[in-house]
Amino acid sequence: QVQLVQSGAEVKKPGASVKVSCKASGYSFTSYDINWVRQATGQGLEWMGWMNPNSGNTGYAQKFQGRVTMTRNTSISTAYMELSSLRSEDTAVYYCARGITATTVLGYWGQGTLVTVSS
Amino acid sequence: QSVLTQPPSVSAAPGQKVTISCSGSSSNIGNNYVSWYQQLPGTAPKLLIYDNNKRPSGILDRFSGSKSGTSATLGITGLQTGDEADYYCGTWDSSLSAAVFGGGTQLTVL
Repeated sequence: QVQLVQSGAEVKKPGASVKVSCKASGYSFTSYDINWVRQATGQGLEWMGWMNPNSGNTGYAQKFQGRVTMTRNTSISTAYMELSSLRSEDTAVYYCARGITATTVLGYWGQGTLVTVSS
Repeated sequence: QSVLTQPPSVSAAPGQKVTISCSGSSSNIGNNYVSWYQQLPGTAPKLLIYDNNKRPSGILDRFSGSKSGTSATLGITGLQTGDEADYYCGTWDSSLSAAVFGGGTQLTVL
């Protein structure tokens, strides 16, 4: 079965960077795009961008342009999302999610990774 | 403020039907497919409806979706206490070149 397993919780200081991983299993990793979505406590879903694991092509939401980098390691079927210049407003649960029919029809989700930004 | 507009909350009695609306514009709902997600407390979102009205395998036919113009609607029949969750609509916005979500609707089954 399709599984996306994310790395554990992180605590970072303002100005630092965080890199969250998302290991895929149960399907061909390079066949489906991976999206990243975040959710602050008590808030709604916020799409950050997508990555094609085959080509490495990416598309980022304008809000995160210049601060987010999505990469992958196909040899271990793992996608990464790195967010830099962290600020307190970046405290949130970060999810990776895989598309099904289209890139942003998110049929499979990771369990989420809590990133806390605090001095 | 979200690009897509949903009511913050809805409620209904067990066994009844409820609908949740999602309003957008021609750059998003008007020209793209809509998906709906259910998020139970403390869990990741789950896809309920995609391509306006299709259900993924395993999703019961108590859940339905429709779209008209720049609005979409999620319907849930035979409400159960286990349906208490947050529901989000989502679609692609061609002007923003980004996926967008509604602000979410909290469903309470009284």
